[in-house]
Amino acid sequence: KAGVTQTPRYLIKTRGQQVTLSCSPISGHRSVSWYQQTPGQGLQFLFEYFSETQRNKGNFPGRFSGRQFSNSRSEMNVSTLELGDSALYLCASSLVQGEDYGYTFGSGTRLTVV
Amino acid sequence: ILNVEQSPQSLHVQEGDSTNFTCSFPSSNFYALHWYRWETAKSPEALFVMTLNGDEKKKGRISATLNTKEGYSYLYIKGSQPEDSATYLCARWTGGFKTIFGAGTRLFVKA
Repeated sequence: KAGVTQTPRYLIKTRGQQVTLSCSPISGHRSVSWYQQTPGQGLQFLFEYFSETQRNKGNFPGRFSGRQFSNSRSEMNVSTLELGDSALYLCASSLVQGEDYGYTFGSGTRLTVV
Repeated sequence: ILNVEQSPQSLHVQEGDSTNFTCSFPSSNFYALHWYRWETAKSPEALFVMTLNGDEKKKGRISATLNTKEGYSYLYIKGSQPEDSATYLCARWTGGFKTIFGAGTRLFVKA
């Protein structure tokens, strides 16, 4: 059974550019959530999607957005990149909301903004 | 407690030592608590999902207890091994498509 796949694994962007990250959940999982991890910080919740709808959003500026497709794959977009957006971005999938079995995480995308 | 808090931030133990860490969370409106292990260069891996007060889960040498009335959970590792070295995360599922993670406890086990 394939795990959660995130692409790309590494990315270097310049300030002001935009970036799109992709996440393919485990087959059958309908919920995808996104997290940001910066040095010294825990996993900060970005948003969670279920059935193509954003169900909840963390305290991030509007430059951070996402979407989910009918096959449950999800993309996250960050516009007008800032140096502080350099981080590891993790996505996680679950059957519904993760309450029974927890989340399965991808390997992450390491974004560096220069 | 407004957020999920974990202590200690890091822990250094010798192989064979038993150890435990704490996760504290808001006791009101409890739904579920998750524990994850995150090894370097890997993805976080779910250890336990805890839902009931007094719940105790066990996986090999690792076990966890839950007290929802006072808002804490303990993770125990018996006879620590070098392969237990990792960051242990707890996360509170809020019941509304949102899971809040603590900052983690970084465990170093020296052979």
